[in-house]
Amino acid sequence: NAGVMQNPRHLVRRRGQEARLRCSPMKGHSHVYWYRQLPEEGLKFMVYLQKENIIDESGMPKERFSAEFPKEGPSILRIQQVVRGDSAAYFCASSPTSLQGSGNTIYFGEGSWLTVV
Amino acid sequence: DAKTTQPNSMESNEEEPVHLPCNHSTISGTDYIHWYRQLPSQGPEYVIHGLTSNVNNRMASLAIAEDRKSSTLILHRATLRDAAVYYCILRDSLATSGTYKYIFGTGTRLKVLA
Repeated sequence: NAGVMQNPRHLVRRRGQEARLRCSPMKGHSHVYWYRQLPEEGLKFMVYLQKENIIDESGMPKERFSAEFPKEGPSILRIQQVVRGDSAAYFCASSPTSLQGSGNTIYFGEGSWLTVV
Repeated sequence: DAKTTQPNSMESNEEEPVHLPCNHSTISGTDYIHWYRQLPSQGPEYVIHGLTSNVNNRMASLAIAEDRKSSTLILHRATLRDAAVYYCILRDSLATSGTYKYIFGTGTRLKVLA
């Protein structure tokens, strides 16, 4: 009964390169959320996706960041032309349904730590 | 912005109970209160959630005030492995889509002393 799987766990990129972070939700979950955690800070919501749809990306920086959740395969958070300020932990969470029902729980992966040098 | 208020840090002795408070004075009638914890270098881990009645599970207990404006997470016997940041969270609406997300505040950093 695998949980939310994220890879890579650690990624080092030079400034200007691209970073791709992958997230496979728990089995049976079709709702995915991405959060970012800067060093010594709390988690900040970035984007909410369902299969083949971006539901809300209000927390995503307008430039260089994109996310997708295709019909087949994992959700991907893509950061183009990375800068040092992108260094953070990126967490993916999933849920079987939306949070319309307030009692619904989301489950997090172990995170992907991006370091930009 | 987070809809909950928690102390920045707390300390507890090992094997003693820990009461972690949370204020959520603007909670709506249908909002559940969720608690997660984050151990160092790990993702947030679900702990417990509840609506009105007190809740118990294998990890902890959740005591909810009668007016629901505050709640307390209770760890009955703290161990060194319970040292983590504990988050009390509510859902919040995503205005652009009419859907919901969970907002994480800064949480309470629990230190357990041997």
